[in-house]
Amino acid sequence: SYELTQPPSVSVSPGQTARITCSGDALPKQYAYWYQQKPGQAPVLVIYKDSERPSGIPERFSGSSSGTTVTLTISGVQAEDEADYYCQSADSSGTFPWVFGGGTKLTVL
Amino acid sequence: QVQLQESGPGLVKPSQTLSLTCTVSGGSISSGGYYWSWIRQHPGKGLEWIGYIYYSGSTYYNPSLKSRVTISVDTSKNQFSLKLSSVTAADTAVYYCARGVGYCSGGSCYYYGMDVWGQGTTVTVSS
Repeated sequence: SYELTQPPSVSVSPGQTARITCSGDALPKQYAYWYQQKPGQAPVLVIYKDSERPSGIPERFSGSSSGTTVTLTISGVQAEDEADYYCQSADSSGTFPWVFGGGTKLTVL
Repeated sequence: QVQLQESGPGLVKPSQTLSLTCTVSGGSISSGGYYWSWIRQHPGKGLEWIGYIYYSGSTYYNPSLKSRVTISVDTSKNQFSLKLSSVTAADTAVYYCARGVGYCSGGSCYYYGMDVWGQGTTVTVSS
């Protein structure tokens, strides 16, 4: 079955830039979506279609794609950004994004 | 704004059928351009997408769960539901419902992510 691979954890100091990657063979042809989940809360969509930001999401959140890797970048990280982040995308058989990555725990030092 | 609320038993016995309902408020489930999904999260683990339904009734399921999953919609009640049969302890999880933005036109489909989520409901499978 298709898999999206994320690093288990990323650590960054406040004010620095955090980059969370997600790798998958189908990513060159499929869009990626990113969700933020804080403890005890439902996920929140922070990026869709690789690099689009929903309304209400701070500008410090951005997304990019290059080959088989997509990246969520958080510029000027704040303490409130500490959370789990999940990428999601489609496999090569269709376009519906149904596969989630394993998640990355972002720790703000 | 649109809100989603999951409801259903918090405890299900092994081999039985898990049944959950998601009630949509602040908007119509029959509005085009949206798909209605179920997602679950095992304790301390990541997210697993279960399936979705359009208001028209068309569905799409996670291949690994397809044989046990049924998602239905009741437009008169503005609700959609999940049934997962033959449950085991491995189905113990927090279950979320969510609204996804997307549509199909001219043979192509376009998706914009799941922008509204319920708070989640914990289901434990145990005798």
